[in-house]
Amino acid sequence: GENVEQHPSTLSVQEGDSAVIKCTYSDSASNYFPWYKQELGKGPQLIIDIRSNVGEKKDQRIAVTLNKTAKHFSLHITETQPEDSAVYFCAANRGYNTDKLIFGTGTRLQVFP
Amino acid sequence: GAGVSQSPSNKVTEKGKDVELRCDPISGHTALYWYRQRLGQGLEFLIYFQGNSAPDKSGLPSDRFSAERTGESVSTLTIQRTQQEDSAVYLCASSPPNEKTQYFGPGTRLLVL
Repeated sequence: GENVEQHPSTLSVQEGDSAVIKCTYSDSASNYFPWYKQELGKGPQLIIDIRSNVGEKKDQRIAVTLNKTAKHFSLHITETQPEDSAVYFCAANRGYNTDKLIFGTGTRLQVFP
Repeated sequence: GAGVSQSPSNKVTEKGKDVELRCDPISGHTALYWYRQRLGQGLEFLIYFQGNSAPDKSGLPSDRFSAERTGESVSTLTIQRTQQEDSAVYLCASSPPNEKTQYFGPGTRLLVL
């Protein structure tokens, strides 16, 4: 069945450095790719999303890139801060323009001051 | 405004007992989702309600799991004859009409002894 693979599972960076998290998806019909941040004891929160008609989207220190041909997308966080420490999940919708999401297994990001 | 709320926040039960988990979506949101998140893992889709359409139950792991939704408001996830492997965080999310962003509640942490 359809799946989303996410790497790495853990990532440690120094404050101010950049962090990159990568995901691949299997359903070629997927056209919506959100990223969620989950802090300890809380539900996931959307931080950025991208649709298949664009290759890159940026929001301040966060950017997402999408390569439809290779079926992978990445989250880039620049100038990391300790408050960026959390678990990050990528997701892809299951089929064209559907609302159901398949989530990756998560990346635990630790930013050390 | 008020976000998605879930109750109880924590639930400890004995193996074999039934449990009911409640989700109050954001007012006006037509879509409602339930997910299961085992410790250190990603989000596993359980069930999806969209307006008055028949729910998508394709993610329910067994017939011990069921969910209902009253119109476009509160939803209840019921787990009958709980097993230890049911221990997890159960997350609820809702979405407004014609939008794919899912807004998550804080989750219910279920522990089956």
